[in-house]
Amino acid sequence: AQSVTQLDSHVSVSEGTPVLLRCNYSSSYSPSLFWYVQHPNKGLQLLLKYTSAATLVKGINGFEAEFKKSETSFHLTKPSAHMSDAAEYFCVVSDLAGRRALTFGSGTRLQVQP
Amino acid sequence: DTAVSQTPKYLVTQMGNDKSIKCEQNLGHDTMYWYKQDSKKFLKIMFSYNNKELIINETVPNRFSPKSPDKAHLNLHINSLELGDSAVYFCASTRGTNEKLFFGSGTQLSVL
Repeated sequence: AQSVTQLDSHVSVSEGTPVLLRCNYSSSYSPSLFWYVQHPNKGLQLLLKYTSAATLVKGINGFEAEFKKSETSFHLTKPSAHMSDAAEYFCVVSDLAGRRALTFGSGTRLQVQP
Repeated sequence: DTAVSQTPKYLVTQMGNDKSIKCEQNLGHDTMYWYKQDSKKFLKIMFSYNNKELIINETVPNRFSPKSPDKAHLNLHINSLELGDSAVYFCASTRGTNEKLFFGSGTQLSVL
C-alpha cells in the first residue's frame, strides 16, 4: 500500500522569501514521486517528477524537490516566492503494482503576501 | 489547442437526475482517467481506461459508469445523482507507462 502525507494544509510566505512545502510518503516499492500545482479554477499541472535518478529534481518555475529515502520525504522548495506561485500544491506517489494509479496528498495551499 | 478538454465546465442539476460529462484528449495518449476532487481539495481516482479497456475501478458506486468509445474519449455517466456527488471531476490522460498526467480543467458538479 502507498500513501502520502502533506504536513501543512496551508503555508503563507512573503514575496521574495523561500518556499518549503513538506511531503512524506509511504510505499512498498521504489516509488515515483511527483508534485502537481493547481491554480484556482484550473486543472493540475506537473511541476516535477522523481523516478530514482538524481535525488534532487528540478522542475518548472524555479521549483525543486529532494528525495530523501532515509526520511521518506520529498519536500518542495523554491528560493524566492512570486505572487503567481499562489496555488494548491499536491504531492503524489505512484503505485508501481501495475495499476498505474497515482495517490494524491491532501494538498497544501500556498499563499504569497506582497 | 486544448490537450484535454472536458464539457461542461459547470453542471447544476437536481437530485435523482442522470447526467454525463464528456472528455476528449488530442495528445494521442492511450490511458485516460477520471478523478474526483471533493470540497477539501482531496483528489481520488475513480476510473482508468487503457486502449478502451477498463483497468482501474475504485470503490465507486455503480451509479457511475465510464464509457470509452475510442482511445481519445472517456465519458462519465452518472445515474440518480445524490447530494454527495457534488464535487469537481477531472479527466486526465497519459501515454503508456509515462506517468505524467495531463489534466482537463475540471467539471464542477453541483447537485441540489
